[in-house]
Amino acid sequence: GQNIDQPTEMTATEGAIVQINCTYQTSGFNGLFWYQQHAGEAPTFLSYNVLDGLEEKGRFSSFLSRSKGYSYLLLKELQMKDSASYLCAVLDSNYQLIWGAGTKLIIKP
Amino acid sequence: GAVVSQHPSWVICKSGTSVKIECRSLDFQATTMFWYRQFPKQSLMLMATSNEGSKATYEQGVEKDKFLINHASLTLSTLTVTSAHPEDSSFYICSARGTSGGDSSEQFFGPGTRLTVL
Repeated sequence: GQNIDQPTEMTATEGAIVQINCTYQTSGFNGLFWYQQHAGEAPTFLSYNVLDGLEEKGRFSSFLSRSKGYSYLLLKELQMKDSASYLCAVLDSNYQLIWGAGTKLIIKP
Repeated sequence: GAVVSQHPSWVICKSGTSVKIECRSLDFQATTMFWYRQFPKQSLMLMATSNEGSKATYEQGVEKDKFLINHASLTLSTLTVTSAHPEDSSFYICSARGTSGGDSSEQFFGPGTRLTVL
């Protein structure tokens, strides 16, 4: 079966750095997405990785290792507004998005 | 990025009535649209995938006669929840995928529709 695993909840301090991990087992791979979702809102796109390595975009970076079926989202200089759920999703061989359950990130002052 | 709108943003209806939700891609042609449902504190659940001009493909466990999907044009898809019941209360989100600009694999999400059935 297809499976995406990510931690249910994480807590971090304002100004710090946090890494959210995602491991996946899917039928085929056409890329991995990270989305941010605030409560009661639709997801918003953060990053897309299809090749191995690190993609940096401002305070957010995303890493992918296809051989390990592993990705992480790195958030630097955390701000209170970063409190949200972070969803990992993999595009499978049929170009369907397989979603993780999301990681709820709580930022404390 | 591309913009996807949904209407209405929220709706409250009585049990037994039908509700139609519209999803529009405003600045690109969406060859494929996806409908998701999300219950509180849970991840997105794909309900169906629709390609313009053809019948939608429903995920296992989703009743196609209850959740009617129409994708009549490259910019509009509708989801009709027929004979809604309280258990259908949820957050319904559409997303669209096209080939206009950027990576064609990316899905662009609408803002979601909060449905409450009394």
